[in-house]
Amino acid sequence: SAVISQKPSRDICQRGTSLTIQCQVDSQVTMMFWYRQQPGQSLTLIATANQGSEATYESGFVIDKFPISRPNLTFSTLTVSNMSPEDSSIYLCSVEIGIAEAFFGQGTRLTVV
Amino acid sequence: AQSVAQPEDQVNVAEGNPLTVKCTYSVSGNPYLFWYVQYPNRGLQFLLKYITGDNLVKGSYGFEAEFNKSQTSFHLKKPSALVSDSALYFCAVRDLDMRFGAGTRLTVKP
Repeated sequence: SAVISQKPSRDICQRGTSLTIQCQVDSQVTMMFWYRQQPGQSLTLIATANQGSEATYESGFVIDKFPISRPNLTFSTLTVSNMSPEDSSIYLCSVEIGIAEAFFGQGTRLTVV
Repeated sequence: AQSVAQPEDQVNVAEGNPLTVKCTYSVSGNPYLFWYVQYPNRGLQFLLKYITGDNLVKGSYGFEAEFNKSQTSFHLKKPSALVSDSALYFCAVRDLDMRFGAGTRLTVKP
């Protein structure tokens, strides 16, 4: 298993500003992902955070809006840039260990006003 | 690309009764299938997975799921529901990456 610490747990931000979310894992992992979850909705994959190279983004998500860093095998950040109310959501960090078993952080609840 | 469907937005059962949360999938190769549970204001917790082997998979908290290849289904089941099982349940399929269903809100009434 893995213990994932995600910070901040929640934030209220002004539109036009940016927020950086941190994800720290207690062990080295190869696969790390960022998801977005609208309240009461399913998870949508934003990108795969690759160590040592640029993140791989899913359709509808771009690096300028959601820059991701992955400096080592235990840490990643997701920035939500130039925020608008439509970005209000829960952002989740996830890692995969073993045979495709995913573990999730507690999530960051973002409200943009 | 892989996909997963949860046909029911909401499932209501009485405590002590059996429960079933439905999931169907589409994937090009052999499926890796998962169930996760999310309690209010919490992240997702892993319940169980099917990779290969027995079609009946047993997981956490007394839950189990049955893999049915001919029906491309992976329904989550529990013989006797508890009020504390009330939560949001997600089915997921893994191919190149993990894809989640829309979620089913399970409510167990005393």
